[in-house]
Amino acid sequence: DAKTTQPNSMESNEEEPVHLPCNHSTISGTDYIHWYRQLPSQGPEYVIHGLTSNVNNRMASLAIAEDRKSSTLILHRATLRDAAVYYCILGFGNEKLTFGTGTRLTIIP
Amino acid sequence: NAGVMQNPRHLVRRRGQEARLRCSPVKGHSHVYWYRQLPEEGLKFMVYLQKENIIDESGMPKERFSAEFPKEGPSILRIQQVVRGDSAAYFCASSPGGLHEQFFGPGTRLTVL
Repeated sequence: DAKTTQPNSMESNEEEPVHLPCNHSTISGTDYIHWYRQLPSQGPEYVIHGLTSNVNNRMASLAIAEDRKSSTLILHRATLRDAAVYYCILGFGNEKLTFGTGTRLTIIP
Repeated sequence: NAGVMQNPRHLVRRRGQEARLRCSPVKGHSHVYWYRQLPEEGLKFMVYLQKENIIDESGMPKERFSAEFPKEGPSILRIQQVVRGDSAAYFCASSPGGLHEQFFGPGTRLTVL
């Protein structure tokens, strides 16, 4: 499985944008970049995914580097509800999700 | 629309007993995945099933663990002769297949005394 590298933890102030980085230098041409998050005591929740182009949805934006070796999840205006562990995962189709250690995001009121 | 449902939410078993965890996928989803999260650890894939078939069980321990997803009814993860090391949160996810995301249930927290 292709590997991703994320910072262990990040902090952000409430109502400010948050940029969560992910490095995936060994990504293959068919790998999609998926982001999931896990709020405390809950199951993981899908956030966004993309292949080559930047993507936006109601939860977040995903910025993908031109060489696809890194990506950034952008939360435009963090709220306390966004405090969670964020996972960047590479995969294709119906494959299992391989979770790393993720980034624990703390939101400061 | 109901999401993925798992029951029970909490299960306590004594060593040597059997644990049965149930997962009802989102209506219309034919792909089911089971993951395990040990205390203070990350999520680990266990098994991937597609209606009546096991597609990938590379993460499933060879002994005591089995999974099924029958034509009718929920997916079942069965753990025989539980040991303390089986204490964990077990999450089920479902997907309609293809490039769609996986939808996760709230998990079953198994405690082995």
